[in-house]
Amino acid sequence: DQQVKQNSPSLSVQEGRISILNCDYTNSMFDYFLWYKKYPAEGPTFLISISSIKDKNEDGRFTVFLNKSAKHLSLHIVPSQPGDSAVYFCAAGQTGKSTFGDGTTLTVKP
Amino acid sequence: DGGITQSPKYLFRKEGQNVTLSCEQNLNHDAMYWYRQDPGQGLRLIYYSQIVNDFQKGDIAEGYSVSREKKESFPLTVTSAQKNPTAFYLCASTVSGWTEAFFGQGTRLTVV
Repeated sequence: DQQVKQNSPSLSVQEGRISILNCDYTNSMFDYFLWYKKYPAEGPTFLISISSIKDKNEDGRFTVFLNKSAKHLSLHIVPSQPGDSAVYFCAAGQTGKSTFGDGTTLTVKP
Repeated sequence: DGGITQSPKYLFRKEGQNVTLSCEQNLNHDAMYWYRQDPGQGLRLIYYSQIVNDFQKGDIAEGYSVSREKKESFPLTVTSAQKNPTAFYLCASTVSGWTEAFFGQGTRLTVV
């Protein structure tokens, strides 16, 4: 049973528009959630996180929203830039151990 | 520069052979992790270690072994018992109590 799901394998948006990446989880014990960005043949890099006591966290162009009742989180990128094109992984966990989703490939077109 | 170094970047192994992947960090992080990524899939946890001389199995530990004799090092051995070892392997570390992980650049293992 996959505890963290990213149901959209890919997303394509126009430069300057908003990108919204979604993630669902099943384990109500998760107490933190993270987003990572990954380029091919490289390791993921941390983007932004949110703890379960918050419902929003913002860092520049990136905002993560958490809806605990729906067990859903989303990453908003505004405005989207071509350099944002990458695979984005959602992760959730507790006590330092994270479970990852399968990733969403974001393509931002100039 | 602080970071995590994985070596080698590419590794080829014959069937039936054991192979060891190196992971070294100079971030002074307490916890270290090994993940496996297959095409189109997320990262799956193989083993993790919260302190020196202690480690726990992750979700897919069968066919793998690790050691944590030094804080800086967490090598992963892919044994001949691993039925499908061809994959991209990622090592990561975290500060104890923190959630954000720092990843190495990965090792792509191919069984020939």
